[in-house]
Amino acid sequence: NAGVMQNPRHLVRRRGQEARLRCSPMKGHSHVYWYRQLPEEGLKFMVYLQKENIIDESGMPKERFSAEFPKEGPSILRIQQVVRGDSAAYFCASSPETPRIFNSPLHFGNGTRLTVT
Amino acid sequence: DAKTTQPTSMDCAEGRAANLPCNHSTISGNEYVYWYRQIHSQGPQYIIHGLKNNETNEMASLIITEDRKSSTLILPHATLRDTAVYYCIVRVPMNYGGATNKLIFGTGTLLAVQP
Repeated sequence: NAGVMQNPRHLVRRRGQEARLRCSPMKGHSHVYWYRQLPEEGLKFMVYLQKENIIDESGMPKERFSAEFPKEGPSILRIQQVVRGDSAAYFCASSPETPRIFNSPLHFGNGTRLTVT
Repeated sequence: DAKTTQPTSMDCAEGRAANLPCNHSTISGNEYVYWYRQIHSQGPQYIIHGLKNNETNEMASLIITEDRKSSTLILPHATLRDTAVYYCIVRVPMNYGGATNKLIFGTGTLLAVQP
């Protein structure tokens, strides 16, 4: 059973460009979470999505950042007009949806490291 | 904000047991205690979780005090590959009162296993 897959592993963008980060959850998982880790800092929650729905976006910056999790395909975290401060590791996690496993752990991917030059 | 308190760092000799403490004095009755670790440059790795009973799996043991205000993660035979930042997190189950099931990470404990 493949784990959470994130791509690309490394992404370099110039200031003002767009960055698109992809996350394929584990098989059977329909909940996706995005976290950001700035250099030498801890993991910060950004957004929680279920298929076609944003459930909690309390950690998302108000501008330039958006996330989606369509019915088909991976979840996408999009950052428009990137700035140097967006340089960070972005981690995706997934968990299953079932009424019985309401405390199931999140499983994380190995992240996308975004560098803005 | 994180609801747990952990030491900033700890050392452990290779082959010995590593005991990582966590205080969560404001934990609610329906909150679980989760442990994750993050090895440098990798994504967080799930270790174990529990509500009030002690738990054991192939990676570690979790000891939760009777009043649930603190817990200890035990790695029975630490190896160099166990060097990582260990996070203790309290979390409300998904179906409780509209909680969104997210994990809130604190600063964790940097465990350095020494040869």
